[in-house]
Amino acid sequence: EPEVTQTPSHQVTQMGQEVILRCVPISNHLYFYWYRQILGQKVEFLVSFYNNEISEKSEIFDDQFSVERPDGSNFTLKIRSTKLEDSAMYFCASSEPPTDTQYFGPGTRLTVL
Amino acid sequence: KQEVTQIPAALSVPEGENLVLNCSFTDSAIYNLQWFRQDPGKGLTSLLLIQSSQREQTSGRLNASLDKSSGRSTLYIAASQPGDSATYLCAPKDYKLSFGAGTTVTVRA
Repeated sequence: EPEVTQTPSHQVTQMGQEVILRCVPISNHLYFYWYRQILGQKVEFLVSFYNNEISEKSEIFDDQFSVERPDGSNFTLKIRSTKLEDSAMYFCASSEPPTDTQYFGPGTRLTVL
Repeated sequence: KQEVTQIPAALSVPEGENLVLNCSFTDSAIYNLQWFRQDPGKGLTSLLLIQSSQREQTSGRLNASLDKSSGRSTLYIAASQPGDSATYLCAPKDYKLSFGAGTTVTVRA
């Protein structure tokens, strides 16, 4: 069964460093998303992406965040200058009409020291 | 802003009992609602998606109902098994999924 994959599974970085989180969505899907979950808190929407551009973003998704689809299979989330409060599990998801079911990857745990 | 509440926060039942998980949301202008399962430290597994025009959706032992106008959805799990132990998340969708805090279910063997 097709699935969303994410790498790395765990990333440790120093405050102020740039990180890139990678996702491979399900191959025939056209809608892509990033969510995050801070430990013990709700899953929060960050951004949605369609047709090579951001379609929606939350107030969390400020100028330090960016997304890119660099080729036909990968979807990346870049955090330019990480902060302690960026420590969280980051989930990628993809979906395709008409069902619109979002399928999530296993997540990347980001730890900022 | 969509606010999602899930009650109860935790539930412990003996194996074989039926489970009823409740979700309420404040903004009824949604396209659909998804139920997910999350195991500790893991990703989200989609269980069911119910469209805004539907009242019910079934998959195996799972049945989800939706009353959009009153902002409520219920997930029923029949004949629970220890493998059903997990956190169940409700997520209505407008332009994005908005998640509740979940109901953590423990099924005792």
